[in-house]
Amino acid sequence: QVQLQESGPALVKPSETLSLTCAVSGYSINAGYYWGWIRQPPGRGLEWIATIFHNGNSYYNPSLESRATISLEMSKNEFSLKLTSLTAADTAIYYCASQQWLVRFDVWGQGTTVTVSS
Amino acid sequence: DFRMTQSPPSLSASVGDRVTITCQASEDITTHLNWYQQKPREPPKLLISDASNLATGVPSRFRGGGSVTDFTLTITSLHPEDFATYYCQSYDNLPSITFGQGTRLEMK
Repeated sequence: QVQLQESGPALVKPSETLSLTCAVSGYSINAGYYWGWIRQPPGRGLEWIATIFHNGNSYYNPSLESRATISLEMSKNEFSLKLTSLTAADTAIYYCASQQWLVRFDVWGQGTTVTVSS
Repeated sequence: DFRMTQSPPSLSASVGDRVTITCQASEDITTHLNWYQQKPREPPKLLISDASNLATGVPSRFRGGGSVTDFTLTITSLHPEDFATYYCQSYDNLPSITFGQGTRLEMK
């Protein structure tokens, strides 16, 4: 059974870079599948951020593409997200998820709350 | 810009009621639509894929329908555990993924 767990800082200052990691258990990320990041600002809806395939091909939400980088850490069975030039608008719960054939998110992590504030 | 519009934004209902949530796409997406349920302080859970296919373990009282631009999620008889927020999600313009704004289903 696939399980995902996000980790990263709870508080980040404006203009800094956010680094998040998603640890995957129960499945080897280099065996296949797509892996994605989604976020949810407080009291609001879901926003897809980025997706990566096991071969390293990556895809981004056009609205975040200039600031986001998704990557794989095969040796640790993890994938990561970096988001630069943070503002208060980036305050959100950040979820990682497995993404079946790019089309649907079938297993989600519990989410990690990130607040951007000085 | 491609958009997914859900309605209503919120809905009050009682246990046993039949409720329907709609999702409208700004262009033809055939049946490239999924539905998720999210309870407070939990991640979303996949309910229905490809407009009408129930995900594993999802009760049969959940039904998805529609195609092209108009889609529905119907709960035929509300159970107490069904009060949650529901999101539609399109994958017609891969690799981009678009979510609807959500419908909050509250107990009357």
